[in-house]
Amino acid sequence: KQEVTQIPAALSVPEGENLVLNCSFTDSAIYNLQWFRQDPGKGLTSLLLIQSSQREQTSGRLNASLDKSSGRSTLYIAASQPGDSATYLCAPKHDYKLSFGAGTTVTVRA
Amino acid sequence: NAGVTQTPKFQVLKTGQSMTLQCAQDMNHEYMSWYRQDPGMGLRLIHYSVGAGITDQGEVPNGYNVSRSTTEDFPLRLLSAAPSQTSVYFCASSYGGQGYEQYFGPGTRLTVT
Repeated sequence: KQEVTQIPAALSVPEGENLVLNCSFTDSAIYNLQWFRQDPGKGLTSLLLIQSSQREQTSGRLNASLDKSSGRSTLYIAASQPGDSATYLCAPKHDYKLSFGAGTTVTVRA
Repeated sequence: NAGVTQTPKFQVLKTGQSMTLQCAQDMNHEYMSWYRQDPGMGLRLIHYSVGAGITDQGEVPNGYNVSRSTTEDFPLRLLSAAPSQTSVYFCASSYGGQGYEQYFGPGTRLTVT
């Protein structure tokens, strides 16, 4: 059974600081990994999809890295803004199924 | 495209009642799935479908039924609601299986009293 851990559970930073969110998973036999954003009371918004053959994926201020063999992914958010405040979830995929961690809740202070 | 839609947004049930949570997508996606999200826990897979007429169990299937008669729709049925099924339910879809991005609906918040 895939176990996903996200550290830290919560993070509070001043505006403009770079964010580093960590995700580890126990089964390295994955097809891809998605990072999602979830605002309070809302659904999940896909941020980045990184395939198992890729080392990193970028979209605007977001960059995700993947080290499949060690079971780790990191999401970097550059120059954080108050609008980045949300819970971030990572989800490795294996055999059609996504496995989720409990997420990292980020607060960016203006 | 409307994407993935779910109805209702909120529902309150009494223990023992049954109901169906609706999920539809207009992206011609083959793969659809249902997750539940509980406080402090990651989302957990309930059931999934890789195409019309094909369904399979996920991690927490007990107390739930699904069927997939069309590509667009994937309803989730609660047979006899229990307080332990109080949760937020999310439906998701993707074009194919392994390498494709999954898209999530806005969720249904269910309370069982």
